[in-house]
Amino acid sequence: EVQLVESGGGLVQPGRPLRLSCTASGFSFDYYGMHWVRQAPGKGLEWVSVISWNSGSVVYADSVRGRFTISRDNAKNSLYLQMNSLRPEDTAFYYCVKDRGMGTAMAGLTYWGQGTLVTVSS
Amino acid sequence: QSVLTQPPSVSAAPGQKVTISCSGSSSNIGNNYVSWYQQLPGTAPKLLIYDNNKRPSGIPDRFSGSESGTSATLGITGLQTGDEADYYCGTWDSSLNAGVFGGGTKLTVL
Repeated sequence: EVQLVESGGGLVQPGRPLRLSCTASGFSFDYYGMHWVRQAPGKGLEWVSVISWNSGSVVYADSVRGRFTISRDNAKNSLYLQMNSLRPEDTAFYYCVKDRGMGTAMAGLTYWGQGTLVTVSS
Repeated sequence: QSVLTQPPSVSAAPGQKVTISCSGSSSNIGNNYVSWYQQLPGTAPKLLIYDNNKRPSGIPDRFSGSESGTSATLGITGLQTGDEADYYCGTWDSSLNAGVFGGGTKLTVL
């Protein structure tokens, strides 16, 4: 059974950093591209970032480029999102998501974690 | 404002059919595959359709997808109360070099 478990969310002050982690199991983690998708409470889905199977390619949404860094450790079946210079508008549930493909497009987001809530507030 | 445009809400009676549209442009739907997601209240989204019209295993054939030009459509037949959810279309945008979603459509089964 595929499982994606996010952690690291919580309350953080504006301007401070936070690092999210996602532990994957039940599939060959190192074969697939992985995404972060966020959803502000009561709002729609917003794509954040993607990393290819071998970390050779990463892409970011304009809203987070230069502040967020996606990375992965295939040996640990883990995906990360380092978030710096956080803003109140970054408040959202952050989902770790497995793609159908290996690269950095959206071939179909097959499995989603349960999400971790990040709240940016003073 | 979302890159992909969906109606905010649709409704239909149990047993009936409903369609949800997703409108984009040549840089997204026109040149990349569309996928559809169902988000039941309080849960994470789930993949319903990928590559415009393919269903993952376990998704009933009541759900179907189609694409024409720069628009895509999700169809649901034999509506059940358990289908009440938010539905999102998504794809890659080659000009933005980014993933994009529609704003979501809330389905009510009356």
